[in-house]
Amino acid sequence: DTEVTQTPKHLVMGMTNKKSLKCEQHMGHRAMYWYKQKAKKPPELMFVYSYEKLSINESVPSRFSPECPNSSLLNLHLHALQPEDSALYLCASSQGRVRTSGVNEQFFGPGTRLTVL
Amino acid sequence: AQSVTQLGSHVSVSEGALVLLRCNYSSSVPPYLFWYVQYPNQGLQLLLKYTSAATLVKGINGFEAEFKKSETSFHLTKPSAHMSDAAEYFCAVIPGANSKLTFGKGITLSVRP
Repeated sequence: DTEVTQTPKHLVMGMTNKKSLKCEQHMGHRAMYWYKQKAKKPPELMFVYSYEKLSINESVPSRFSPECPNSSLLNLHLHALQPEDSALYLCASSQGRVRTSGVNEQFFGPGTRLTVL
Repeated sequence: AQSVTQLGSHVSVSEGALVLLRCNYSSSVPPYLFWYVQYPNQGLQLLLKYTSAATLVKGINGFEAEFKKSETSFHLTKPSAHMSDAAEYFCAVIPGANSKLTFGKGITLSVRP
């Protein structure tokens, strides 16, 4: 299995809602990532988990809360979002620790298209 | 800071024509370089990667890229464009000792019939 899956595919939420995005991989990867991508822009890194521990938080607002329940799953909890948070949210995974040498290419999921009203 | 530069925002070619998408990098250490493709409303798919094993790298869908250290370039080519190649293409770099992936701004490839 060489796939990263993400659910839901689309999500529309109001500014007072609480929702979660889910990501799953069964490649045995121990690093998992959340990216935010606006239209016609490259992905922007939000969070990195390495061996189920949060290792990088790119100064993301607290209304985004990541969680890594186990080595295969990654969640992104959303609360009190703003319309400018509307974007494609991508999950990715790679082998190994974040800060080791060697090529750890990232495999991306299809993304969740989030619209905040 | 490590970075990649993709000049221009849009390339248009005729079906069957050569595809050339340019990428230049800046890195103080030997980099790992990648090309990703993103089709409309989809995630990113890895096309190919440079890991210092060979300077000419072959990827999926007939794409290849050549690492040229003297020019700090990693341009993506395909001899004959197909309509299905229309997509957004991102060059990306991981510096030698850091796995944080840095993307270029991307370039849109259009293929004319």
